[in-house]
Amino acid sequence: EDQVTQSPEALRLQEGESSSLNCSYTVSGLRGLFWYRQDPGKGPEFLFTLYSAGEEKEKERLKATLTKKESFLHITAPKPEDSATYLCAGANQAGTALIFGKGTTLSVSS
Amino acid sequence: AAGVIQSPRHLIKEKRETATLKCYPIPRHDTVYWYQQGPGQDPQFLISFYEKMQSDKGSIPDRFSAQQFSDYHSELNMSSLELGDSALYFCASSLSGVDYGYTFGSGTRLTVV
Repeated sequence: EDQVTQSPEALRLQEGESSSLNCSYTVSGLRGLFWYRQDPGKGPEFLFTLYSAGEEKEKERLKATLTKKESFLHITAPKPEDSATYLCAGANQAGTALIFGKGTTLSVSS
Repeated sequence: AAGVIQSPRHLIKEKRETATLKCYPIPRHDTVYWYQQGPGQDPQFLISFYEKMQSDKGSIPDRFSAQQFSDYHSELNMSSLELGDSALYFCASSLSGVDYGYTFGSGTRLTVV
């Protein structure tokens, strides 16, 4: 069964304290690994897509990496506005659906 | 830039009633997906359509049905509503599948009382 597992469930950081979020996946014929940011009561906001092991993508303070079994979302020197739930999702082989993890809720305090 | 439009934003229904949620994808996007997100849960895939045909089906109850129309908008019909159907329902759209990423709408919050 296709599955995406994220850890930790919750993460509290001080402003400027860098850390990483983990996403491990078992998705048959993974077509792509997606990272989304979700604020309370809002739709997920697309961040990155990674397609092959070794691939890295960056956007401001965020950097996503992919291995054959995991993806990491590195947050460098976070700010309070980075507080949100970060969702990882694997696309199935047909590309017809995303399988989401339960997310990591990040809280950054100043 | 145009986004995915969902309506209504909020909906309150009683048990056993019927609800219809609408989704208007980004112009030129040909694929629509529906997700259900319960409180504190991750989004669960319900169903998707590509070029007005159902392309995949997830954990969608038999009480729910959906379709995509000629203008590419989609509707999710939910009948015999149960308390457990209370959730955020998101629609997402993409161009020819998942490769370029999905864009999600702001969701419809359905409350069943």
